[in-house]
Amino acid sequence: DIQLTQSPSFLSASVGDRVTITCRASHDISNYLAWYQQKPGKAPKLLIYAASTLQSGVPSRFSGSGSGTDFTLAISSLQREDFATYYCQKLNTYPPPFGQGTRLEIK
Amino acid sequence: QVQLQESGPGLLKPSQTLSLTCNVSGASVSSGSYYWSWLRQPAGKGLEWLGRIYTSGITNYSPSLKSRLTISLDTSKNFFSLRLTSVTATDTAVYYCARDMYYDSRYLAFDSWGQGTLVTVSS
Repeated sequence: DIQLTQSPSFLSASVGDRVTITCRASHDISNYLAWYQQKPGKAPKLLIYAASTLQSGVPSRFSGSGSGTDFTLAISSLQREDFATYYCQKLNTYPPPFGQGTRLEIK
Repeated sequence: QVQLQESGPGLLKPSQTLSLTCNVSGASVSSGSYYWSWLRQPAGKGLEWLGRIYTSGITNYSPSLKSRLTISLDTSKNFFSLRLTSVTATDTAVYYCARDMYYDSRYLAFDSWGQGTLVTVSS
C-alpha cells in the first residue's frame, strides 16, 4: 500500500510569509496527487489535483509541484484565511491514502 | 452548484447499526460522471475513506470495514446511504459524504463535500 508522509506536521507563520508543505509517497505515484485545505469544523476543500493543477476558484497564491515521490504545496503570500490544516491525497487508488495533515497556524 | 447534506442519528450504543443518508442537489447521482463516497474523521485526526458507489450500483469498500459496511444509492430520490453494523467507540467520528469527480478524464478527486455529521458511539 502507498503511504503519504507530510512534513512538517505543524507550521507557524505570519501573514505575508511564503510557506511550503511537502508530501512524500512511499512509491512512485507519477502526478496522481491532490491537496486539500480544511478549516476547523468544516469539510475539506479541494485546492489542487494532478499535483499542480489549481482547482477552479482557488487563489493563484496556491501552487503545487512535484512528480514521482516528492510533492510540494506552496502558498506565496499567506492570508489570514489560509491558516488551516492541509492534506495530500493519492488519487485514483482505493482506498485512497491521505497524508497525516499539516496544521498551519498564525505566528 | 452541487450540494451534499448528511443526515442521521448523532448518538448510538455499541453493537448498533449506523445509518446515514447523503442528500444530493445540483447533480444527479445517476450521472455516469461521478462516484459517491463516504469518509470519516475522528476528532483531531486525519481523513479516512470508507467506501464509494457508482451509478451502476458497483461499490468499493475499505478493506478494514468491508465486512461491516454497505453503501447504496437511490436514484429516484437522488441520495446515497451508508450502513455500518456493529459499531464500537472507534467508529466515533465526523462522517462526510463527498463526490468523486474526474478531471481531465483521468484524475478522480473529491471535489464536493457535505458539511459532515458527528456520530458518537457510547454506552
